[in-house]
Amino acid sequence: QQQVKQSPQSLIVQKGGIPIINCAYENTAFDYFPWYQQFPGKGPALLIAIRPDVSEKKEGRFTISFNKSAKQFSLHIMDSQPGDSATYFCAASKDNYQLIWGAGTKLIIKP
Amino acid sequence: DTEVTQTPKHLVMGMTNKKSLKCEQHMGHRAMYWYKQKAKKPPELMFVYSYEKLSINESVPSRFSPECPNSSLLNLHLHALQPEDSALYLCASSQVLSGISNEQFFGPGTRLTVL
Repeated sequence: QQQVKQSPQSLIVQKGGIPIINCAYENTAFDYFPWYQQFPGKGPALLIAIRPDVSEKKEGRFTISFNKSAKQFSLHIMDSQPGDSATYFCAASKDNYQLIWGAGTKLIIKP
Repeated sequence: DTEVTQTPKHLVMGMTNKKSLKCEQHMGHRAMYWYKQKAKKPPELMFVYSYEKLSINESVPSRFSPECPNSSLLNLHLHALQPEDSALYLCASSQVLSGISNEQFFGPGTRLTVL
C-alpha cells in the first residue's frame, strides 16, 4: 500500500514531442505528489508538485495531471528539448517528511 | 539564497578512515535530511533532523553518525565504511517536518567511494 509505481522505466522522444510519465499509488491517505528531475551526478530538483484538490497544475512547459479516482498522476513535458534529458522521479507523501518514491524514468530527448 | 550546499563533491576513503560530509542551507528551514542514493535508484532516507534534534533514524548502521551543530548545518560522520556504502549522499531541507510547507530541496550530493 505504500508503493508508488512509475512507468515507463525509460523513454526516448524526439525534440518537440510530449513525453508522458505515469505514476500510480494505492494509499488514499497520500496528499502531496511531487516530481523531481535529476541530472547525472546531481541531486534531485523539485520540478512541480500537486495536491489532490486540483486535477491539473502547469508550471512552464511541465504539467501534472491528477486523477484521484484512478489513483494516478502523470507528468507531461510540452515542447521537449534535449536539455530535458534526465531521470524523473515521482513521489507521494501524507504531507510529512516521508516521501514514497517511484523507481524513476530515464528520459532522452533526441535532437 | 535557495540553495542547499554540500562538501566535498567527491570523496574516496578506505575502510579504516574517518571522514565527514557537510551540508549547509540558509533558507531558514528547520528540517534537514540525509539520503543515500545508489545508481539508477531513488533516494533512500537515512536520517531526519527537526529543530536540530534527531527525529528519524531509518535503521542506519552505526558507522554513519549524523550531527546537527545548528539550524543551518548538518554533518554526516563516516567511520569503518564498507565498499557497499559507496553511493551518492544527498542532503535535503524543508521548512518544517510535516504539513503544507514540507517541500524538500536537495543539495548536489557527495559522491562517496569506499575502497
